Amino acid sequence: ELKVEQNPLFLSMQEGKNYTIYCNYSTTSDRLYWYRQDPGKSLESLFVLLSNGAVKQEGRLMASLDTKARLSTLHITAAVHDLSATYFCAVDHNTDKLIFGTGTRLQVFP
Amino acid sequence: GAGVSQTPSNKVTEKGKYVELRCDPISGHTALYWYRQSLGQGPEFLIYFQGTGAADDSGLPNDRFFAVRPEGSVSTLKIQRTERGDSAVYLCASNDPPGELFFGEGSRLTVL
Repeated sequence: ELKVEQNPLFLSMQEGKNYTIYCNYSTTSDRLYWYRQDPGKSLESLFVLLSNGAVKQEGRLMASLDTKARLSTLHITAAVHDLSATYFCAVDHNTDKLIFGTGTRLQVFP
Repeated sequence: GAGVSQTPSNKVTEKGKYVELRCDPISGHTALYWYRQSLGQGPEFLIYFQGTGAADDSGLPNDRFFAVRPEGSVSTLKIQRTERGDSAVYLCASNDPPGELFFGEGSRLTVL
């Protein structure tokens, strides 16, 4: 059974600081997704990572994938308040469904 | 419409009642997924349709839950004899495999 774990579960960080969120999964997978969710809202797709060594960047967020280690990271650079949200990684399981991680709730304060 | 549409956005019901939640996927998407998200948790897979058939219903928690997609487009998630533990946000998503999943805004179910 595929399991997806994220850490930390909760992250409080100061504006301007850098930090990394980790996503580990238990079996091989074809692709990995990162989503953002604001309170009371649905899931917004951030990144799709398709191969070992893939790196994608959008603004202050950068995601990478190491399929050998079954690890993905979401790196935050110079955090701003607008990044406050919950971030989920999700792993494609046999290309028919996504299994989501536990989520990382990020709060950025001045 | 341009995105995945779910109705109702909010549903409050009493324990023991029957509930239907509707999902209208993005036009042309052959695959449709239902997820359930409890407060403070990640979305939990329920069922996946490819066309009209349920390709994987392994996530349905018990036989009170049932979903249909009779014409390969709109889907209805049906919950019988609702229990308080069924309270959650039910999310629908669609895609044209193996493309990206697009999620709807969700239906928030509260069972009193």
